Amino acid sequence: GGIITQTPKFLIGQEGQKLTLKCQQNFNHDTMYWYRQDSGKGLRLIYYSITENDLQKGDLSEGYDASREKKSSFSLTVTSAQKNEMAVFLCASTPGGRAEQFFGPGTRLTVL
Amino acid sequence: QQQVRQSPQSLTVWEGETAILNCSYEDSTFNYFPWYQQFPGEGPALLISIRSVSDKKEDGRFTIFFNKREKKLSLHITDSQPGDSATYFCAASENSGTYQRFGTGTKLQVVP
Repeated sequence: GGIITQTPKFLIGQEGQKLTLKCQQNFNHDTMYWYRQDSGKGLRLIYYSITENDLQKGDLSEGYDASREKKSSFSLTVTSAQKNEMAVFLCASTPGGRAEQFFGPGTRLTVL
Repeated sequence: QQQVRQSPQSLTVWEGETAILNCSYEDSTFNYFPWYQQFPGEGPALLISIRSVSDKKEDGRFTIFFNKREKKLSLHITDSQPGDSATYFCAASENSGTYQRFGTGTKLQVVP
């Protein structure tokens, strides 16, 4: 088995602040994802990465940067935090050639 | 544009009843349809999935019925248990399953 760890669990920032969320997986999965989960709106894909140093934009990439420097880690940066993007950010991963996504527990972002 | 739609938004059933959760999609290139189950404070977890070559997939008390012509599918939970109370997400993707589009979820409550 394996696990996905997201840090921090809760993140509080000021409007306009640059904030970074981190994700680690020990499944040795190839592909990793960042989703934003807003209440009542389901999950929306921000970025994904099919291998180390690869980045692919999702539907919601504007206002975010991502970095995949190692196979096991994928970080997401909120470039300028806004109140309307308070949500839970979920990291996920999949092994190569498989479709099942494994999710972490999420980071809840609050913007003051 | 919501490519995957779910209904109802919330559903309450009595213990032992069958819960029926509905999903529809727009893109005819989608051929992989996973359902994820999410408990409060946790990330979603794959519950059951189906590919478009099948019209039914069963796993214990959980069954997916798929209608390719109408671009609709449903998740049936028979003999519902209080432990099934969770939010259920339908998702859809093309072959590889990499870029999954999620619905907005159905919150199920099973009353003892």
